[in-house]
Amino acid sequence: SQTIHQWPATLVQPVGSPLSLECTVEGTSNPNLYWYRQAAGRGLQLLFYSVGIGQISSEVPQNLSASRPQDRQFILSSKKLLLSDSGFYLCAWTGMVGDRVDGYTFGSGTRLTVV
Amino acid sequence: GQNIDQPTEMTATEGAIVQINCTYQTSGFNGLFWYQQHAGEAPTFLSYNVLDGLEEKGRFSSFLSRSKGYSYLLLKELQMKDSASYLCAAMDSNYQLIWGAGTKLIIKP
Repeated sequence: SQTIHQWPATLVQPVGSPLSLECTVEGTSNPNLYWYRQAAGRGLQLLFYSVGIGQISSEVPQNLSASRPQDRQFILSSKKLLLSDSGFYLCAWTGMVGDRVDGYTFGSGTRLTVV
Repeated sequence: GQNIDQPTEMTATEGAIVQINCTYQTSGFNGLFWYQQHAGEAPTFLSYNVLDGLEEKGRFSSFLSRSKGYSYLLLKELQMKDSASYLCAAMDSNYQLIWGAGTKLIIKP
């Protein structure tokens, strides 16, 4: 069965420090991968998505970047964190069976506090 | 444009039934998802409808009418642990999810 792993669960980082959050998926190949952010009490905002290795689409201009070095690995990064980068970061994956969507599942999330 | 509408908040009584409605407008359509999200946790998948009709899974059911751009999530025999936010999301022609803001469901004893 497919599983998605996301770490760390919580992170406190000072302003100006770098960031690297990692997400991996097991039990599937060529998944679509997504990074979302959720501010406290707010809805989900799509940050990046990837349909294959090295293919990254950005939905909003921001202080963050994403990379997909391997088929089942998705990384969210920043060179210098801002206070406004605080939030709940969620990785998600979806697969396709023919032209039918095969689930859309979230990782457990990383709560980032920039201080 | 693309849009999802669902009520901001609903209140129901333990043991009762509640229906959470969702209307959507998307460029193309590849299905409607419902998620449950408890405070501080990641969303968990509840249902996925791509064809018209009602799908039942235990105490939870989800309905879809593509012609009306309408879905609902029906929760029966409400329990206190059902207090959470319920997120509706429609998948467009590019297989991207368009998210509603979520419905906060409060269950009272």
